[in-house]
Amino acid sequence: AQSVSQHNHHVILSEAASLELGCNYSYGGTVNLFWYVQYPGQHLQLLLKYFSGDPLVKGIKGFEAEFIKSKFSFNLRKPSVQWSDTAEYFCAGRGDSWGKLQFGAGTQVVVTP
Amino acid sequence: AAGVIQSPRHLIKEKRETATLKCYPIPRHDTVYWYQQGPGQDPQFLISFYEKMQSDKGSIPDRFSAQQFSDYHSELNMSSLELGDSALYFCASSRRGGGGPGEQYFGPGTRLTVT
Repeated sequence: AQSVSQHNHHVILSEAASLELGCNYSYGGTVNLFWYVQYPGQHLQLLLKYFSGDPLVKGIKGFEAEFIKSKFSFNLRKPSVQWSDTAEYFCAGRGDSWGKLQFGAGTQVVVTP
Repeated sequence: AAGVIQSPRHLIKEKRETATLKCYPIPRHDTVYWYQQGPGQDPQFLISFYEKMQSDKGSIPDRFSAQQFSDYHSELNMSSLELGDSALYFCASSRRGGGGPGEQYFGPGTRLTVT
């Protein structure tokens, strides 16, 4: 079955530390992948997306992700986090260009001053 | 830029009551998706519409129904509410008619509390 899985459910790190959140997908053929961020009490905000082309995708707020087809992975990275990056991060995917999104379980990231 | 509008933002209902959630997509967007996010959970797809026709259906209870109107806004009708229906309901929109893959833009959500 098509799915998206996230490895870490909770991550705690200090400001200026580097962040990497794992995401694996199980789609064959076409795959669209996304990372969303959800700040407390707010809606989902798109950080970045991959449809095709360059596997290294740069998004907003200094985030980037790398699509590695051989590993079925789409990990999110940020070289130096800030306290304001405290939020929940969701990886999402779909097997076509317009279908429903399937979300991973989410990773709660807490950045301490 | 205009965003997806959802109303109401908060709704409190009692068990067995009905609720109607509304979603107004971004102008010129023709596709609407509904998701349910329970406490501490990831969003789950409920149903989607493209050009006023249902395009996909997920884990939506039979007690729920939805439609997309001629102005592309969508309504999610929920009847015989249960405590387990308490959740954040997101609507997302995209413009499929533009060709190529598109991203879904999420609204602020409606927080439904069933008491």
